[in-house]
Order: sequence, then structure tokens, then C-alpha cells
Amino acid sequence: SQQGEEDPQALSIQEGENATMNCSYKTSINNLQWYRQNSGRGLVHLILIRSNEREKHSGRLRVTLDTSKKSSSLLITASRAADTASYFCATTSGYSTLTFGKGTMLLVSP
Amino acid sequence: DTGVSQDPRHKITKRGQNVTFRCDPISEHNRLYWYRQTLGQGPEFLTYFQNEAQLEKSRLLSDRFSAERPKGSFSTLEIQRTEQGDSAMYLCASSSPVVGTEAFFGQGTRLTVV
Repeated sequence: SQQGEEDPQALSIQEGENATMNCSYKTSINNLQWYRQNSGRGLVHLILIRSNEREKHSGRLRVTLDTSKKSSSLLITASRAADTASYFCATTSGYSTLTFGKGTMLLVSP
Repeated sequence: DTGVSQDPRHKITKRGQNVTFRCDPISEHNRLYWYRQTLGQGPEFLTYFQNEAQLEKSRLLSDRFSAERPKGSFSTLEIQRTEQGDSAMYLCASSSPVVGTEAFFGQGTRLTVV
């Protein structure tokens, strides 16, 4: 079963704009991770935020975590055409097995 | 070390045949995971190894699926008597012994059952 649920399912923006994706989950977690997947390829790890953290930055990425609402958001600033991909959130609890959502498909047009 | 390696990248097989996929994790990683991903969905957990021990199996993993990691290094995933519903991308990932760290994924094996 899939724990996380990303919103929106699809997002289309122009280069230079910001993209925000949201993730909601159901059970308590150890940490939450965001991954990117280009079409037909494997997943690339973007950022990990622990359950006791509220915000984390990495380059153009900003992730927030609200454990009281069981939700997280991923913000990509100044998007580029190369950011076009599917983005997944994944949670871990107990063992470090990752449970993924269905993903957000991001299209960045030049 | 160039990351997690999966072989083959693509496999087309006839229904009823057996297939085996291989995953070579990052060398210092003792945790290894198999996932399955169908079009438009997120990866679904199949099974998890810590060293050579298979610690967790999803209920998705029917009796036709078996995974091994005999020496705690590479792993194989075998599907017996394949069905069309087995068509999917099979992803392998590994992570370090430190709990709560990121997992690194291979490029996946795309299985098509005809």
C-alpha cells in the first residue's frame, strides 16, 4: 500500500517560475524523503528531512515538514526545463523501508 | 563505485516463463530493497534485506516471487511462471547501515510479459 499522496498529480509551469508540490501521509514517520524520476529511469534522491526538523534547503530546493498535519511540501525555485520529471515523497518508519506516494508530474516549459 | 547496478535493463518474456534479475548495491551498503513500479504509480515495496537476511516481505510478493542475497552483496529477484500483470519496472535500492539515511536506486529492469 502507498502511504504518501502527492498533490497536485500534475503541474505545468514556465521556466523561471517556482513549483510547489505537497505530500500527505498517514502514520508517524522517522523521516521523509523526496525523489525525482525522469521518464523510464531510476529514482534520484533529492533531500531528506527528519521528523524533528521543520524545514530544510538544498540548492534550489526547499522542503518543509509539518508532523502535526502529516504533510510536507517541496518547493523548487527558478525552475528549469531540466527539472521536468516526476517527483515522489517517501516516508520511513520502523525499519528503514521507504513507502512512496503516487508522485507529481512536473512539466517545465522553456 | 558507480552506484547501484541492475541487470538486465530490459527483459521481454513470454507468459509462463521464469525470469531472474540481478542487483549489485553500493559496496558498503548492507541494506538492499526491491520495489516494483507500474506506469503512473509510485514504487511499491516488495522486499528488504539487511546483509543476507531477508527481514521483510510485502504481501504483494506472491509465491511466484523469490529474492535472495546469498553473501550479503548482490541480490537476485526471480519471478516464476510470469503473468502479464507482472509487467512493470523492478527497482533495486541500497542504503548504508545507518538507520534513516537515504536510499540510492538503480536504473531498474523493465519487464514486459507478452
